[in-house]
Amino acid sequence: DGGITQSPKYLFRKEGQNVTLSCEQNLNHDAMYWYRQDPGQGLRLIYYSQIVNDFQKGDIAEGYSVSREKKESFPLTVTSAQKNPTAFYLCASSIERAAFFGQGTRLTVV
Amino acid sequence: QKEVEQNSGPLSVPEGAIASLNCTYSDRGSQSFFWYRQYSGKSPELIMFIYSNGDKEDGRFTAQLNKASQYVSLLIRDSQPSDSATYLCAVNIGVGGGNKLTFGTGTQLKVEL
Repeated sequence: DGGITQSPKYLFRKEGQNVTLSCEQNLNHDAMYWYRQDPGQGLRLIYYSQIVNDFQKGDIAEGYSVSREKKESFPLTVTSAQKNPTAFYLCASSIERAAFFGQGTRLTVV
Repeated sequence: QKEVEQNSGPLSVPEGAIASLNCTYSDRGSQSFFWYRQYSGKSPELIMFIYSNGDKEDGRFTAQLNKASQYVSLLIRDSQPSDSATYLCAVNIGVGGGNKLTFGTGTQLKVEL
């Protein structure tokens, strides 16, 4: 069953903690992306990767880090430097031009 | 100026009517255009894409692109209550960064019985 799997679905973080969001795809797509969505807002690009072992900052990369050691995996770490991390995080992958999304992780700071 | 602009709505249409959703973009070099549907609390789902000027039809959906006017629209015929969602316009700017998509803030559509 092909698709993009994000985990966990819900995540709670204490102030000052780093947390890592998982994104795995078995679609054999080269490109992967992380977006952030705040209530009533569109999607803002955090990081993207076109190939393994390479990634670029998006529009709001500060306070986030990523790695791309395998084609199938693109984890996102939300560091303590991200001052307002509460949001809906969406991972996507693409082939050619269109992007397809996972089910999202809702992160809340407690 | 935002790169991709949409009216936030809500846009209310009666069941069975045509819903018209609009999007403008700022980069004339944009090459690919997408419409995503997002239900509340869910992730976006791709429903249409268009690359060339003109119309593209898929079932009840028609995407329209006018590159000269930097305008892309989505028409939904015979609107159903299940079409009630937020519709996101996305544009592939296509400059250096590969397939990076830039999204509008979305238009909320409400189909009323």
